[in-house]
Amino acid sequence: DTGVSQDPRHKITKRGQNVTFRCDPISEHNRLYWYRQTLGQGPEFLTYFQNEAQLEKSRLLSDRFSAERPKGSFSTLEIQRTEQGDSAMYLCASSVQGSDGYTFGSGTRLTVV
Amino acid sequence: KQEVTQIPAALSVPEGENLVLNCSFTDSAIYNLQWFRQDPGKGLTSLLLIQSSQREQTSGRLNASLDKSSGRSTLYIAASQPGDSATYLCAVAASGGYQKVTFGTGTKLQVIP
Repeated sequence: DTGVSQDPRHKITKRGQNVTFRCDPISEHNRLYWYRQTLGQGPEFLTYFQNEAQLEKSRLLSDRFSAERPKGSFSTLEIQRTEQGDSAMYLCASSVQGSDGYTFGSGTRLTVV
Repeated sequence: KQEVTQIPAALSVPEGENLVLNCSFTDSAIYNLQWFRQDPGKGLTSLLLIQSSQREQTSGRLNASLDKSSGRSTLYIAASQPGDSATYLCAVAASGGYQKVTFGTGTKLQVIP
């Protein structure tokens, strides 16, 4: 296990379509986070999982967004009825409870046309 | 609510110069502070992590300092190289809860050969 993996790396979709991204954290990491980053900005928090429980969800996440982490392993982030404003880099990170620092994946770049 | 500011937003220096990137945060009740590097279109790579009880951390040509009482951190890069060109992000973890991380908007560094 070499790090946090995200799939796909790039996604181009038409407005109104649904998309799903996957994140595989470092295997022993029980905490998982999703962030969104738009051009020229720092990453903004979207949601946090501890094991399989989603413990915090940002107000940035509208009803069109849903995230899951079944069995406390990989996580998925789904965006329904995509809009052009959803175009961004979606970053996943993981960490260990009681430890320090986040490890980030390479991100998924979403472009909505 | 924690707010993290990074100054300058962009910096261009000739190769070989020493430089300092600044990060300030509004809530001094932090768990740790992490500096990341981000290359264009890529994910985040952790550079240095400073615990709230520490004053500085060093790795190679990088030195990060932390002054919690004033809400400031600096990242010092010695003898800059063109390969250092990237965006540098400061991330502050809160002391309570699950140590939620808030990012600054980054400093885009260009080192000119």
